[in-house]
Amino acid sequence: EIVMTQSPATLSVSPGERATLSCRASQSVSITLAWYQQKPGQTPRLLIYDASTRATGVPARFSGSGSGTEFSLTISSLQSEDFGLYYCQQYSSWPPKTFGQGTKVEVK
Amino acid sequence: VQLVQSGADVKKPGASVKVSCRASGYTFTDYFIHWVRQAPGQGLEWMGWINPETGGTNYAQKSQGRVTMTRDTSINTAYMELSRLRSDDTAVYHCAREQKRSGNGAFEIWGQGTMVTVSS
Repeated sequence: EIVMTQSPATLSVSPGERATLSCRASQSVSITLAWYQQKPGQTPRLLIYDASTRATGVPARFSGSGSGTEFSLTISSLQSEDFGLYYCQQYSSWPPKTFGQGTKVEVK
Repeated sequence: VQLVQSGADVKKPGASVKVSCRASGYTFTDYFIHWVRQAPGQGLEWMGWINPETGGTNYAQKSQGRVTMTRDTSINTAYMELSRLRSDDTAVYHCAREQKRSGNGAFEIWGQGTMVTVSS
């Protein structure tokens, strides 16, 4: 089973600042990596798939990069609605399609 | 395109729970359905998937022996049944639809989640 490790656990950022979240896979997953956003009390929302492709309706301030074992999600200028939890997920070697433990983006 | 799940449920330890996930807006048999759970304050845990076309399933090792995923193509609905419930099964259970018909994609569409509480 591929283990996904996200860092940091919590990221404190001021509105308008740039945020970079990291995700590491225990073995190569090529580019089969997705990012999800989850706000309190809500369902996860697909943001990025295939490591760098934005899902439909996702603002351009969200960008994904990486391949193999190292990935990142960048939010170029944080808006108030961007605060919440972010999860990465690999779908290269499955089952299972493992998730990272999440990074909480909070107001600094 | 949406997935609509059944409502919250409260069960006693040792009982079983069956959560439904009704699909609309697309051809139900074209995309795998996955089940993901999230315990209070915890992350996302993949439980397994079902191929609505064939009924084929695959379960996470942790869930093996207690989880059964089925579907009814006549009403475009997938089901997840968890038996021998324990207190640590208390969680929100989500169904999610594959992004790609091949099954090799991310989870594009999510149900609203079903809170299952296990308590004596």
